[in-house]
Amino acid sequence: NAGVTQTPKFQVLKTGQSMTLQCAQDMNHNSMYWYRQDPGMGLRLIYYSASEGTTDKGEVPNGYNVSRLNKREFSLRLESAAPSQTSVYFCASSEGSFFNQPQHFGDGTRLSIL
Amino acid sequence: GNSVTQMEGPVTLSEEAFLTINCTYTATGYPSLFWYVQYPGEGLQLLLKATKADDKGSNKGFEATYRKETTSFHLEKGSVQVSDSAVYFCARQDDKIIFGKGTRLHILP
Repeated sequence: NAGVTQTPKFQVLKTGQSMTLQCAQDMNHNSMYWYRQDPGMGLRLIYYSASEGTTDKGEVPNGYNVSRLNKREFSLRLESAAPSQTSVYFCASSEGSFFNQPQHFGDGTRLSIL
Repeated sequence: GNSVTQMEGPVTLSEEAFLTINCTYTATGYPSLFWYVQYPGEGLQLLLKATKADDKGSNKGFEATYRKETTSFHLEKGSVQVSDSAVYFCARQDDKIIFGKGTRLHILP
């Protein structure tokens, strides 16, 4: 049982380039999330999807877009990368469509913007 | 607004010592409370949870009690091991998800 799988694990981009971070879960969870983790800041929610076909902004959505492709997959896109988006990005999923369920995390994507 | 405050680390202890990592939350609403653990190079894993006042969550020798009167959810373990070295995150989850900034724990053999 793979759980939550993120690709790629590492990526280096130049300022202005675009890329999509992929996430897939095999637990039949309804809700999926994207976070960024920065030193001294903990985890901050970028976007979430409470069910297939819906997406909503979290705490720090600027500069990002998301797509809930189907129940399993939730992608995060950086249209024009900026150095401030250098971070570790985590995808997570949870049962149901409510925030009070435990979150299941992937192993992260380490992204550097030069 | 809603927030979660954890004690700053790093916390360094010797093996078999008693551990407490403090966590307090803002009192609005009736959140569920969680502790997650993150090992190097990995994502967060659920350690334990409590969904209402006076509930005690426990797992792998760790415990935390939901204290509404003090708005706290402190993590404790009676005898830590080297393998407990990790970063620990407290979180409140209700209509939002708020994580604390994390506490790095080092256990010395």
